[in-house]
Amino acid sequence: AQSVTQLGSHVSVSEGALVLLRCNYSSSVPPYLFWYVQYPNQGLQLLLKYTTGATLVKGINGFEAEFKKSETSFHLTKPSAHMSDAAEYFCVPSNFGNEKLTFGTGTRLTIIP
Amino acid sequence: ETGVTQSPTHLIKTRGQQVTLRCSSQSGHNTVSWYQQALGQGPQFIFQYYREEENGRGNFPPRFSGLQFPNYSSELNVNALELDDSALYLCASSLGGIYADTQYFGPGTRLTVL
Repeated sequence: AQSVTQLGSHVSVSEGALVLLRCNYSSSVPPYLFWYVQYPNQGLQLLLKYTTGATLVKGINGFEAEFKKSETSFHLTKPSAHMSDAAEYFCVPSNFGNEKLTFGTGTRLTIIP
Repeated sequence: ETGVTQSPTHLIKTRGQQVTLRCSSQSGHNTVSWYQQALGQGPQFIFQYYREEENGRGNFPPRFSGLQFPNYSSELNVNALELDDSALYLCASSLGGIYADTQYFGPGTRLTVL
């Protein structure tokens, strides 16, 4: 069964610093990988998704992720953190996007002023 | 294009009562999935409806039931509420079938059971 591991349940970065949230997937490569973000007391918002083709995926709010098959990784990055990036981030695998999604506990990102 | 909407935003019920939560799909979507998110946890899949038929169910008891209407809006019904049902309930709409694609989530309904 496909699964992902998000390294670090809590990540803190200073405002303006690089954001790096790690996601490694199991060797059974899922066709789709999503990053969802959940701001405090809100629903989930799709940040970006990888399906096929280009391995560098650009999302909303300046985020991007690179699918690296050799490292079985799909890390989320943003060059410069903003206070508004404070949220919970979920890396989610999927067969075709529409079936049930299996979420882990996510990574809570805190931005230090 | 209208996004996914949910109502109500917040709800307080007492143990043993019944509750109905509502979800309006994004325009053009024919599939609705419901998730329960307990505090500090990731969302857990409850069930999915595709073209008014249940299309998969997670590990939730039968007192969790749902409906999808011809306009693809949906309801989640929970009977005999328990304290552990307190959570954020999220619905997500998507396009199913051969053009299956990404799920887009609504803002959620916060249910508190006292």
